[in-house]
Amino acid sequence: LAKTTQPISMDSYEGQEVNITCSHNNIATNDYITWYQQFPSQGPRFIIQGYKTKVTNEVASLFIPADRKSSTLSLPRVSLSDTAVYYCLVGDFRSYNTDKLIFGTGTRLQVFP
Amino acid sequence: SQTIHQWPATLVQPVGSPLSLECTVEGTSNPNLYWYRQAAGRGLQLLFYSVGIGQISSEVPQNLSASRPQDRQFILSSKKLLLSDSGFYLCAWTIVGSNTEAFFGQGTRLTVV
Repeated sequence: LAKTTQPISMDSYEGQEVNITCSHNNIATNDYITWYQQFPSQGPRFIIQGYKTKVTNEVASLFIPADRKSSTLSLPRVSLSDTAVYYCLVGDFRSYNTDKLIFGTGTRLQVFP
Repeated sequence: SQTIHQWPATLVQPVGSPLSLECTVEGTSNPNLYWYRQAAGRGLQLLFYSVGIGQISSEVPQNLSASRPQDRQFILSSKKLLLSDSGFYLCAWTIVGSNTEAFFGQGTRLTVV
């Protein structure tokens, strides 16, 4: 399971675009990159997953450079409700002896009015 | 559709008392199951994971144990709680053979007094 490194915290204001970068230098060929969001007293919620280049859904975009050693979660026009902890996970979860879902410390995003 | 049930939502237990937290999954077969603990303001610590009935892997040595008596049932137990066992406990499941998202229960807030 590739080790990930994220900033501990970030601050932003409503309406701004927020980019959270995750480093994963030891990513393996079969590894996918997955981001989760967690609000206080709730379980993490899946946001987006990608393997390479760019993935976009209704919530966020995920940018992955060609070497896949990092990834950037982009949240467009954040609101106060985006205040949460964001986790980056890297691994191949397809196999029966699955990569364990190990969460790092995440990035605590605080959005101000 | 798949759902995950975790109970109770909150629990206050005295030191030295036993613990039993239950998690059940509906709508899928042979899921991978996980127990996590989260201390206040901290990240998620993986406690146990299971790839099948009776198959439990422990990540952190402690006075907790886990069991999987049925395919979609995962139980976290302790014979004697410690103050340090206080925290937010989360159950999660993933689909074997898939890189898609993990689904989390609503969590149990355990306070050991």
